Amino acid sequence: DAMVIQNPRYQVTQFGKPVTLSCSQTLNHNVMYWYQQKSSQAPKLLFHYYDKDFNNEADTPDNFQSRRPNTSFCFLDIRSPGLGDAAMYLCATSRQNRVGEQYFGPGTRLTVT
Amino acid sequence: EDQVTQSPEALRLQEGESSSLNCSYTVSGLRGLFWYRQDPGKGPEFLFTLYSAGEEKEKERLKATLTKKESFLHITAPKPEDSATYLCAVLKGSNYKLTFGKGTLLTVNP
Repeated sequence: DAMVIQNPRYQVTQFGKPVTLSCSQTLNHNVMYWYQQKSSQAPKLLFHYYDKDFNNEADTPDNFQSRRPNTSFCFLDIRSPGLGDAAMYLCATSRQNRVGEQYFGPGTRLTVT
Repeated sequence: EDQVTQSPEALRLQEGESSSLNCSYTVSGLRGLFWYRQDPGKGPEFLFTLYSAGEEKEKERLKATLTKKESFLHITAPKPEDSATYLCAVLKGSNYKLTFGKGTLLTVNP
């Protein structure tokens, strides 16, 4: 089945220790998204890629970076995690002409100690 | 500023007890309104797209409707497996950003 895969599902890191989350997709969608979702809150878009074109949301902290080496893979790098960065990180994909119909991965739950 | 507000925050129903969830929005240049279902510890799952006032979409026990200011997700004769958080989201203009509401946590008791 075509899908969006995120690894790891759970990640524990120390305050200030860089961490990388990964996302892969078999849907061949050209748009990929990273969202942050805290408990009982709405998913918040951090950035998205349209093909290799990177688009950062204005309020995404500089601490968050992303890479998309090819169509299938996308990475979220948190350079110096703070306690406030503990959250669920969701990767999603869509076709460029169906942006509202996004396919989400299962998420990575990040804990910062 | 664009806003998406969902109500109620939480809803408990008995199996078979029909009800509706509300999503009100203030967005200029609405391009579409979308409903998603999210199970605990999982990513959202796409349910419906609504593009214009008066439009309706149905899937099993769920029916989504849209007016110029709000959308409703009607749940007919719900079952325990319908328990989840239901999120609505809006898309505006030509950008790629979905703005989500906080969701309604639906619990259906057997």
